[in-house]
Amino acid sequence: GQNIDQPTEMTATEGAIVQINCTYQTSGFNGLFWYQQHAGEAPTFLSYNVLDGLEEKGRFSSFLSRSKGYSYLLLKELQMKDSASYLCAALDSNYQLIWGAGTKLIIKP
Amino acid sequence: NAGVTQTPKFRVLKTGQSMTLLCAQDMNHEYMYWYRQDPGMGLRLIHYSVGEGTTAKGEVPDGYNVSRLKKQNFLLGLESAAPSQTSVYFCAHSQGSGANVLTFGAGSRLTVL
Repeated sequence: GQNIDQPTEMTATEGAIVQINCTYQTSGFNGLFWYQQHAGEAPTFLSYNVLDGLEEKGRFSSFLSRSKGYSYLLLKELQMKDSASYLCAALDSNYQLIWGAGTKLIIKP
Repeated sequence: NAGVTQTPKFRVLKTGQSMTLLCAQDMNHEYMYWYRQDPGMGLRLIHYSVGEGTTAKGEVPDGYNVSRLKKQNFLLGLESAAPSQTSVYFCAHSQGSGANVLTFGAGSRLTVL
């Protein structure tokens, strides 16, 4: 079956760095998305990786290893507003999105 | 959520009642989707549409129907609501299929008693 695994919850301190991991098992693979979802709000797009390596976008970076079925989202210089759930989603061979349950990130002062 | 309007935002239903959720987008995108989000689970696709007049089943279509009579609108219907349909429903749209970014509506919280 197809599966996405990510930690349920993580806690980090304001100003620090946090890495949110995601592992995936899909029938084929056509890329991996990260979305951010604040409580009670809609998910919003953060990043898309289809090739191996690290892509940086300001304080946020996303990494992909296709051979390991692994991705991570790296958040630097954490701010209180980064408290949210982070959703990992993989595109399978039929270009269907398989979603993880999300990682709730709690930022403490 | 630029260009996506979802109504209603909240609704409480009794078992067996029917209702329709409306999604409207002004981006002229072909692809539209209805998802449900439940605690501890990933987003699950209910139905989707690849253009006006077309609809297709997603991962969890049972108990739901959809219509796309106009390109900008995608309606999700519950003919006979069940407590298992208590969830938060999100509409989304994208420019194309596959590796295209989804833009989500603000969500509709539905409780079925």
